[in-house]
Amino acid sequence: QKEVEQNSGPLSVPEGAIASLNCTYSDRGSQSFFWYRQYSGKSPELIMFIYSNGDKEDGRFTAQLNKASQYVSLLIRDSQPSDSATYLCAVLISNFGNEKLTFGTGTRLTIIP
Amino acid sequence: GAGVSQSPSNKVTEKGKDVELRCDPISGHTALYWYRQSLGQGLEFLIYFQGNSAPDKSGLPSDRFSAERTGGSVSTLTIQRTQQEDSAVYLCASSLAAIGGNTIYFGEGSWLTVV
Repeated sequence: QKEVEQNSGPLSVPEGAIASLNCTYSDRGSQSFFWYRQYSGKSPELIMFIYSNGDKEDGRFTAQLNKASQYVSLLIRDSQPSDSATYLCAVLISNFGNEKLTFGTGTRLTIIP
Repeated sequence: GAGVSQSPSNKVTEKGKDVELRCDPISGHTALYWYRQSLGQGLEFLIYFQGNSAPDKSGLPSDRFSAERTGGSVSTLTIQRTQQEDSAVYLCASSLAAIGGNTIYFGEGSWLTVV
């Protein structure tokens, strides 16, 4: 089982609709969860991070975390063509000063005008 | 510097040659990470430095790969006797301290092609 799993997509969503991106992780010791956006040929950029169970909202983005189900998601409201990118889920495990941030393979999102 | 700087941005090398990739983190950032991303793939963790120490080297794919960091700043990733499967973009990232409370920032990557 992969440490961090995402549906590779592509996920196509009409402009203005809600895009829902999902991620599951295998290590129950995971402590922090991150969503990165990566445009083709560019490096990843952080969108949001979440530590606690529940929802965290930032503008059009909402991250949701359910540690019991080992599940984290990202909702993008009012999707725009500029949101078309690959979205990477990342999970952090820290042990005695050693950190490992593990990424999923990403979900490719296309917003259709 | 203003951001994480990596060099070279592009490198084409012949199979069997050694290559050295450099990362200059954001000034003051103590944590530094190397990842590898093959075409169309996710990010593969290679190594993490806290200061000059690398607590976890388990991500390095083989003994042909090595990394070091000096002065708590610049890091170099060295690949010896390159193979075609080493072709990928090598991403470096840094954060102020441990990730737990800080954002990591990625450089633009070093695109390596082994022919």
